Formats: sequence, structure tokens, C-alpha cells
Amino acid sequence: QVQLVQSGAEVKKPGASVMVSCRVSGDTLTEVSLHWVRQVPGKGLEWMGGFDPENGDTIYAQKFQGRVSMTEDTSTDTAYLEMSSLTSEDTAMYFCAQGHGSGSYVWFDPWGQGALVTVSS
Amino acid sequence: SSELTQPPSASVSPGQTVSITCSGDKLRNKYASWYQQKAGQSPVLLIYQDKRRPSGIPERFSGSNSGNTATLTISVTQSMDEADYYCQAWDRSAGVVFGGGTKLTVL
Repeated sequence: QVQLVQSGAEVKKPGASVMVSCRVSGDTLTEVSLHWVRQVPGKGLEWMGGFDPENGDTIYAQKFQGRVSMTEDTSTDTAYLEMSSLTSEDTAMYFCAQGHGSGSYVWFDPWGQGALVTVSS
Repeated sequence: SSELTQPPSASVSPGQTVSITCSGDKLRNKYASWYQQKAGQSPVLLIYQDKRRPSGIPERFSGSNSGNTATLTISVTQSMDEADYYCQAWDRSAGVVFGGGTKLTVL
């Protein structure tokens, strides 16, 4: 059974970058399609992007294209989310989640515990 | 605003049945999934492909999808079911879309 363990909380200043990690156990990263979802405090879930096995590429939500990069280190089974040009509106909990399905459907299970990123001057 | 519309809140008495809807064009001819998120916790998958339950999810959680509306039904609701519930679908142009969430109160 796959488990996802994320890195700890981060505090960043506006304009900085942040990198959040998600380590996979119970399987190898090459067998898992990872996605990233964020949640602003008190708000709903927002998909940022993830691996699409149908085309074998990482896809990004339009809102985050150009500012977010999702990478993987298969030697350590760890995925990374890097976001640049942070503003206070990026203060949120960032979750990684395993995606299942492809094409016309996808669902997420399990989810990591989340990593809180706070952007404050 | 979300492309999938959910009521912001719902309430139910213990032991009763409650249904939470999720509507939007992004659901038409698409599969819906549902997640439960309790306060301070990560989301948990309840339903996928409209009506399938992962192992470990009680049978009192069920799902359906017709036209452009998906529905999550919780029967014999328990106090532990008090949580936020989110629907989700996949759209080829937008990618993954979530509903705005429904806060369920068990009175």
C-alpha cells in the first residue's frame, strides 16, 4: 500500500521560491502517478498539476503554468513541487496525492499529510 | 468560482440520510469522485468512477451520476461523518476540477 510522506512546514518571503517534497513508500515512484493539490486556509481544494500516464508527461493547471515545476528523483522515490515568485496568496497547505486512471477519469488515493507554506514579509 | 457547484453546507440528524449534489458541465459524460476531509486532516477518497467504493469505506457511502449532476449519499449518518465533502472530475481542457466543497453538520 502506497504511503506519501511530505516535507515539513516552510516560511518564505514574498518573491522567494519554495520546494516541497513527497516521498513514496510501498511502491516505486516510477509506478505511481503523483499530483499536487493545494488548499488555502479555510478554502477548497485546488489542483495544480500532475503526471498524466496517457501521454507520459506532467500537466499543469493553466493558473500555475510557468511558475510551478513538478519533478521526480526516482533514485530516492521522491517527488518535488517547486513554486517561484511567491505572494501571500500562495499561503496554503500543499498536498501530494497518487492519481489513478487516465484519459476521461482520474481520482486520488492516498494523499500525503500536507505541507504548510506560509508567505509573509 | 468552481466549475463544479456544490451547496456550501448541509445538515443531517444522526441516523438519517443526506445527499450532497455536485453539478456542472464538466460532469457531463465524465466520472465523478468524492472526498471527505475532516478538520485538520488530509482528504480521503470515498467514491471513484461515480459509484465505486475503495476498500475500507463503509457501504453507507454511495454515489451516483446522471446527466450533469453527481450525488453523494450518506445513509445512517453518524457524528463521525461531520466533515467537508468535495466532488472532483477530470476535464481534458481544464484538467482536474474540484467542487467548492460542502460542509456537513451532524446535528
